[in-house]
Amino acid sequence: SQQGEEDPQALSIQEGENATMNCSYKTSINNLQWYRQNSGRGLVHLILIRSNEREKHSGRLRVTLDTSKKSSSLLITASRAADTASYFCATDANTNAGKSTFGDGTTLTVKP
Amino acid sequence: DAGITQSPRHKVTETGTPVTLRCHQTENHRYMYWYRQDPGHGLRLIHYSYGVKDTDKGEVSDGYSVSRSKTEDFLLTLESATSSQTSVYFCAISAEINTGELFFGEGSRLTVL
Repeated sequence: SQQGEEDPQALSIQEGENATMNCSYKTSINNLQWYRQNSGRGLVHLILIRSNEREKHSGRLRVTLDTSKKSSSLLITASRAADTASYFCATDANTNAGKSTFGDGTTLTVKP
Repeated sequence: DAGITQSPRHKVTETGTPVTLRCHQTENHRYMYWYRQDPGHGLRLIHYSYGVKDTDKGEVSDGYSVSRSKTEDFLLTLESATSSQTSVYFCAISAEINTGELFFGEGSRLTVL
């Protein structure tokens, strides 16, 4: 079964708006990562947050992690049409170090 | 971009035939992984490798085998392809086991008729 589940499954916004995607997971983790996948391409790593961290920033990306709720969120600020892609969270569980488990993804469409 | 090459990128085959997908890396990373991605779903781990001749099963390993005779190459074999193995297969590599950061190839699209 999938460890991570993203919400919503699909999100459509206008350019300039913020996009928020959520990820929930089931078991204790070492870290959580977010990846991006453009249509027909491989996944690209965006950001990693460790279990002892609560928030991390990278450019227009902000990731939060709440281990008590077993959830994470990815915020993309001032979205651009080029941000249109699928976004996946992936977790490394304590008992499966190095074997990332992916959620089903959120498909983000940013309209110009 | 990380130096990961998957071949073939596209393949159509018939049920019952053997298929081998190749992943080649130029990064000298120790860890290599094979995932499959099905429409509307995330990636599911098939097999992974911790080093040369050191492999283990992932979540969906039935019907698949792997081999790693050199650091740079990780082969995924479907001994007798079935229609349920129609999917996009991604190879990934990582340098450290606990950093979690995976670098992905561009994928191999396999259709089993």
